[in-house]
Amino acid sequence: NAGVMQNPRHLVRRRGQEARLRCSPMKGHSHVYWYRQLPEEGLKFMVYLQKENIIDESGMPKERFSAEFPKEGPSILRIQQVVRGDSAAYFCASSPKTGPDTQYFGPGTRLTVL
Amino acid sequence: AQSVTQPDIHITVSEGASLELRCNYSYGATPYLFWYVQSPGQGLQLLLKYFSGDTLVQGIKGFEAEFKRSQSSFNLRKPSVHWSDAAEYFCAVGRNTDKLIFGTGTRLQVFP
Repeated sequence: NAGVMQNPRHLVRRRGQEARLRCSPMKGHSHVYWYRQLPEEGLKFMVYLQKENIIDESGMPKERFSAEFPKEGPSILRIQQVVRGDSAAYFCASSPKTGPDTQYFGPGTRLTVL
Repeated sequence: AQSVTQPDIHITVSEGASLELRCNYSYGATPYLFWYVQSPGQGLQLLLKYFSGDTLVQGIKGFEAEFKRSQSSFNLRKPSVHWSDAAEYFCAVGRNTDKLIFGTGTRLQVFP
């Protein structure tokens, strides 16, 4: 059973560009979480999605950030008009439909904004 | 407010020595508790978790943790550290499939 997949692993963008981060959950998992890890800090929750629904986006910045988890395909975290402060590691985690259970993390996407 | 505190930012131990990493939490109810390990440039790997039952839980790589409700703590221990244990360790709390709240991490350095 493949683990959580994230791509790209590394992404470099210039200020003002858009960044798209993809996450494919483990097989059978329908819950996806996105976390951000700023340098020298722990992970901070951003958003929790189920298929076609945003369940909790309390950790998402109000502007420029959006997330989706369509019926088919991976979950996407989209950052518009990136700024240097968006440079961070973005981790996706998935968990099974029924809980309580553990979140399994992907390897992360390291975004660098020049 | 819900929070996790890992008071030790950086710990250095000699290979073969015992290890204890501290974790204290503040949560409205008894949370589910987790310890994750992150090697440099890598994602997070689950070491162990506590949901209910026996308050001493065993994990992978020889790690264990003890939940102490009265102290709101979930400290991670290992009797004998190996050089490959050098990494960053994160304590986290959550409930059901709710979001996880992470501590700021403890960086472990192991000297031969």
